[in-house]
Amino acid sequence: QSALTQPASVSGSPGQSITISCTGTSSDVGSYNLVSWYQQHPGKAPKLMIYEVTKRPSGVSNRFSGSKSGNTASLTISGLQAEDEADYYCSSYAGSTTVVFGGGTKLTVL
Amino acid sequence: QLQLQESGPGLVKPSETLSLTCTVSGASISSSSYYWGWIRQPPGKGLEWIGSIYYSGSAYYNPSLNSRVTISVDTSKNQFSLWLSSVTAADTAVYYCARQVAVAGTGLWAFDIWGQGTMVTVSS
Repeated sequence: QSALTQPASVSGSPGQSITISCTGTSSDVGSYNLVSWYQQHPGKAPKLMIYEVTKRPSGVSNRFSGSKSGNTASLTISGLQAEDEADYYCSSYAGSTTVVFGGGTKLTVL
Repeated sequence: QLQLQESGPGLVKPSETLSLTCTVSGASISSSSYYWGWIRQPPGKGLEWIGSIYYSGSAYYNPSLNSRVTISVDTSKNQFSLWLSSVTAADTAVYYCARQVAVAGTGLWAFDIWGQGTMVTVSS
């Protein structure tokens, strides 16, 4: 079970859109529509932003959206705001009642 | 309002067993809709799923930690616990407990509610 692959960092200016990728394998991301995304501000616990690839929990801004193609899932944040600056992690069900996380992506709002 | 709170020693000696408890308040741990999980984060690094447990006691572990991990649940106390044996400095991390959805369509396998985390340092 290997960690999902995310870019180490992405950046964007306020108002712009950015996309964070999350690449797995046919054993995890590619096989199940069970990808989640988490936002983590420094010193804080992660917060669920997207579940089951595309769904948003109540209270999460519709500026956050998720998608998946093959073995790669993506998180898109539109209309970037300063408060979006954080670390983002993807996770996926990996079969046999196991879960795998990505390595995390640091988002910088310029 | 559901809350999770981790508790346990902040310092553990190498080769000993790390033990943490998560107390759930505001809801019953015996819900059929959720698992209860442990996730850790070494300083400056990413998240790692350790394992999860259902209220019935069925537990699931990360294969890379399986030989050293035990998770148990105490429904009478609304708590679940983590034991990690033979710890080394590599086990130094913030340990989070979290609620994990067990129902499709509502976030299956996602961790929707997290505790604040507790730092555990492995050092002599």
